[in-house]
Amino acid sequence: AQSVTQPDIHITVSEGASLELRCNYSYGATPYLFWYVQSPGQGLQLLLKYFSGDTLVQGIKGFEAEFKRSQSSFNLRKPSVHWSDAAEYFCAVVANDYKLSFGAGTTVTVRA
Amino acid sequence: EPEVTQTPSHQVTQMGQEVILRCVPISNHLYFYWYRQILGQKVEFLVSFYNNEISEKSEIFDDQFSVERPDGSNFTLKIRSTKLEDSAMYFCASSEDRLGSDTQYFGPGTRLTVL
Repeated sequence: AQSVTQPDIHITVSEGASLELRCNYSYGATPYLFWYVQSPGQGLQLLLKYFSGDTLVQGIKGFEAEFKRSQSSFNLRKPSVHWSDAAEYFCAVVANDYKLSFGAGTTVTVRA
Repeated sequence: EPEVTQTPSHQVTQMGQEVILRCVPISNHLYFYWYRQILGQKVEFLVSFYNNEISEKSEIFDDQFSVERPDGSNFTLKIRSTKLEDSAMYFCASSEDRLGSDTQYFGPGTRLTVL
């Protein structure tokens, strides 16, 4: 079965600094990969997804992620973080069973 | 922009009571899902639903749970006799198709508290 690991439980970053959130997946073939964000009191919003083609994908809110097959990774990045980016971020994978398997999430705190 | 809606936003119930969580998926979507997130834990898949029947369910989705599409717009999750461990945030999602690449759009969630 597929699984997703987000090694960082909590990251604190200064406003304006860069952010990188790590995600590793375990699956025999190339899965479909997603990043969702959950702001306090809100639902899950899709930031971006990868399923084929260019391994660098652009998403909403200035986020991007890079799929690296050799490292089984799909890390999320943002060059300059805004205070509104404080949220919980979930990496997820869909394999051949059409259901999302989520990582444990990374909480991002943005300090002024 | 179309969105998935869920009601209520917060439900408090006594252990052993039945609860029904309601969702209105995006109107042209055909596939519907329920997920849950126990506080501090991962978001977990419960069930998927298509063409008025369950497509897949997880081991969590036991006989206490049921889903229904009672009309053309609502999608409900019923918990027959709630337990303390059912306390969680329940998310409804929908997708247009059932491709692995297809995006599942999530509602804001219903926080269920079982006392």
